[in-house]
Amino acid sequence: AQKVTQAQTEISVVEKEDVTLDCVYETRDTTYYLFWYKQPPSGELVFLIRRNSFDEQNEISGRYSWNFQKSTSSFNFTITASQVVDSAVYFCALSYLSGSARQLTFGSGTQLTVLP
Amino acid sequence: ETGVTQTPRHLVMGMTNKKSLKCEQHLGHNAMYWYKQSAKKPLELMFVYSLEERVENNSVPSRFSPECPNSSHLFLHLHTLQPEDSALYLCASSQDKRGVTDTQYFGPGTRLTVL
Repeated sequence: AQKVTQAQTEISVVEKEDVTLDCVYETRDTTYYLFWYKQPPSGELVFLIRRNSFDEQNEISGRYSWNFQKSTSSFNFTITASQVVDSAVYFCALSYLSGSARQLTFGSGTQLTVLP
Repeated sequence: ETGVTQTPRHLVMGMTNKKSLKCEQHLGHNAMYWYKQSAKKPLELMFVYSLEERVENNSVPSRFSPECPNSSHLFLHLHTLQPEDSALYLCASSQDKRGVTDTQYFGPGTRLTVL
């Protein structure tokens, strides 16, 4: 069974603080993909990153960084020097093959509030 | 237009109405998806179309009826809905390659309220 757990329902930080959003996944697939999406109040899910299971290199994109560790089945997301515009719900997702189509299973999301 | 667009953005309907949600993707993708996002619940996949053929429906009630006339357009026809169907309905698209996952790109959603 595929499962994604985001244990942090809500996080609140003050601007310029660093914040880490946790994601733990379960899968029996040997090849899989992990994603992070951002959902601002407008509702649209904005794609942030995709990683495959064979690439455990950490990735940095501006103030965003991701730490993928297969040993602990985790794919955590860190925002450095947070800004008010980072306030949103963040979803971690895992792809799996169902029939002939790849599909996503999402975590329940983490509501991040960055206070000025 | 770029990306994935959805219309209408907001919809209020009575339980006896019939309405349709529309999704259009301008990314050249060959797979499209409908998701439901209710308050306090994870995103739920409703339907998947790959190469215009429905491949998954996840036991969605028959009051929701999808239609995919071509690879760029996806509809969700609604009839005799219940108040618990009130939610944000999100459309997504991706380039489906057998055995390879590509990224799903989402539209802005339709906020549906059933009275």
